[in-house]
Amino acid sequence: GAGVSQTPSNKVTEKGKYVELRCDPISGHTALYWYRQSLGQGPEFLIYFQGTGAADDSGLPNDRFFAVRPEGSVSTLKIQRTERGDSAVYLCASSLERTGPRQETQYFGPGTRLLVL
Amino acid sequence: GQNIDQPTEMTATEGAIVQINCTYQTSGFNGLFWYQQHAGEAPTFLSYNVLDGLEEKGRFSSFLSRSKGYSYLLLKELQMKDSASYLCAVMDNDYKLSFGAGTTVTVRA
Repeated sequence: GAGVSQTPSNKVTEKGKYVELRCDPISGHTALYWYRQSLGQGPEFLIYFQGTGAADDSGLPNDRFFAVRPEGSVSTLKIQRTERGDSAVYLCASSLERTGPRQETQYFGPGTRLLVL
Repeated sequence: GQNIDQPTEMTATEGAIVQINCTYQTSGFNGLFWYQQHAGEAPTFLSYNVLDGLEEKGRFSSFLSRSKGYSYLLLKELQMKDSASYLCAVMDNDYKLSFGAGTTVTVRA
């Protein structure tokens, strides 16, 4: 079946602009995660949704970052007043449901490469 | 918080075996995952361990010792396509994953 999809695959913007990154999870997956990955590093947790609500947003670096998942499927990560330091690959992952750790295996999308000039 | 350590780079010859070690110190533990990530691509799930011992899956095996905070990923019969970054990740009690920085494995002919 279809995996996690993310759009756009690449985004170049100027400092101070607003960007939106979209994630479409695997059908039937109730949990959705956003990560940020810098070059040479592992993914860093940003936010987790269970259904429509943000169950854990402790990884968001500051209030310029916000994410929504209004219908419990597609999610959008929004970054306001972008800074050069926001340049990274933004990864989305989804998992089945919270019935146990094995069911929480996360499957990743291809990522959006954001470059802030 | 979580502290996860793994070597930065490893090099091996085609057909050989490589073992990637991962040590962790965590505030909660709900399992350890290994992911493979080719350059410019998404991480793909390789293995999951929550109990002590060895889990074997084809050419790849993963081991866990919870008392030692230690895991390894064993890659056997290396192929050129195995050249990638291998990420160790620990799941905490809130089902949140924390990743190591990854180990870049280079397979040479």
